[in-house]
Order: sequence, then structure tokens, then C-alpha cells
Amino acid sequence: SAVISQKPSRDICQRGTSLTIQCQVDSQVTMMFWYRQQPGQSLTLIATANQGSEATYESGFVIDKFPISRPNLTFSTLTVSNMSPEDSSIYLCSVSPNTGELFFGEGSRLTVL
Amino acid sequence: QKEVEQDPGPLSVPEGAIVSLNCTYSNSAFQYFMWYRQYSRKGPELLMYTYSSGNKEDGRFTAQVDKSSKYISLFIRDSQPSDSATYLCAMSGAAGNKLTFGGGTRVLVKP
Repeated sequence: SAVISQKPSRDICQRGTSLTIQCQVDSQVTMMFWYRQQPGQSLTLIATANQGSEATYESGFVIDKFPISRPNLTFSTLTVSNMSPEDSSIYLCSVSPNTGELFFGEGSRLTVL
Repeated sequence: QKEVEQDPGPLSVPEGAIVSLNCTYSNSAFQYFMWYRQYSRKGPELLMYTYSSGNKEDGRFTAQVDKSSKYISLFIRDSQPSDSATYLCAMSGAAGNKLTFGGGTRVLVKP
């Protein structure tokens, strides 16, 4: 398995601001994924982040709104830009250590006022 | 129609009963199947991971995959109040690929 740390664990933000979420993994992994879980909903993939290349975004998600960095094999950041109340969600970092399994961090719970 | 269908519940069972959860899917390319447990305000925790069809057992948990019917199941034996959580099925077409999740089933085990 992999140990994944996310920061912040929760935050309350004002409309129009941006917040960067950090994800640190205890081992080198090729594939990192960012998911969103809206209140009472299941998980939706935002983007796939591979080290050394641009992130690949899913339909409905764009780089201007959710810029992602992947500077090395153990770290990634997701920024939620120009936030609105509709962005209130849990944002989850996940990794796949090339075994097919996918492991999740504890998530970052964002509330936008 | 969603790619992965899962009854949202809630499913309420008495302590000690068998919990039976299932998902159906439409994409025949799915080959990797996972079950996650998610407690309130926590990230999903991987419970079971299976490849292709067949059964897999781990302690009180049994996962079954029937690719011909596009149907997967998770059974929890001797259920405990600590098993009360939301259970999510997830699947992908290749190892390390993005997962498609079911909507989750909320389970309540009553003492």
C-alpha cells in the first residue's frame, strides 16, 4: 500500500479566492489522480497527473480552474481557482503503485462561502 | 444510464448478519474491480481488489465478480457496528488506469 498525506485537511474559503491542496506520498509512484467528492455523492475524477508531463483533465474540468503540478514522483498539488460555493467538496489525492490498486488520502474538505 | 450502478441504500442489518452489496456495470472492458469502505469525513479505504472473474476472500470479506453478467458483489460476514459506513465499488479497464465508481451504498449495522 501507500501512505498519502494531504494538506490542508479542511478549509473555509471566501468566494473568488484560490486554494492549493498538497499531496505527499511515502513512495515514488508514476500515476497520481485527483478526485472530487461533492456532498452526498460518489467520486469524480478531475485529472491524472504524471510526473514530467501535463496533467490530463476529464470532461468538465479545465486547467484554468484546476491547475495541477507534479514536480516529482512523490508530490503533487491541485489548485482550486476563483472558488464559488459550488466548489465546496472533498478533494482527494490518490495513487496507483503500478499494481492496479488505487489508494486514497484522507481528503481535503473545502467549504466556500 | 450510468456506467456503474449501485443501490444507494441505506442498508440496515442487525449485528452478526451477512451484509450483501452489489454493483452492475455496462462496460465489458472493465477487468479490475475494487471495493472501498468510506467512513464519514474520511477518505476511501481499499477493502478488496480482484482481477477478472472469480471469488476472493479476506477475513470476513468476500468479493465476487461475474463478468458474463457484469455483476460484482461484496459480502461481509458476522457484521459489526464498526462496519457501518458507505461502501463504494470501483472498476477499471487496465491496471493503474482511472477508476469508475459506483454511487456508494450506505450500510448501518445495528447492535
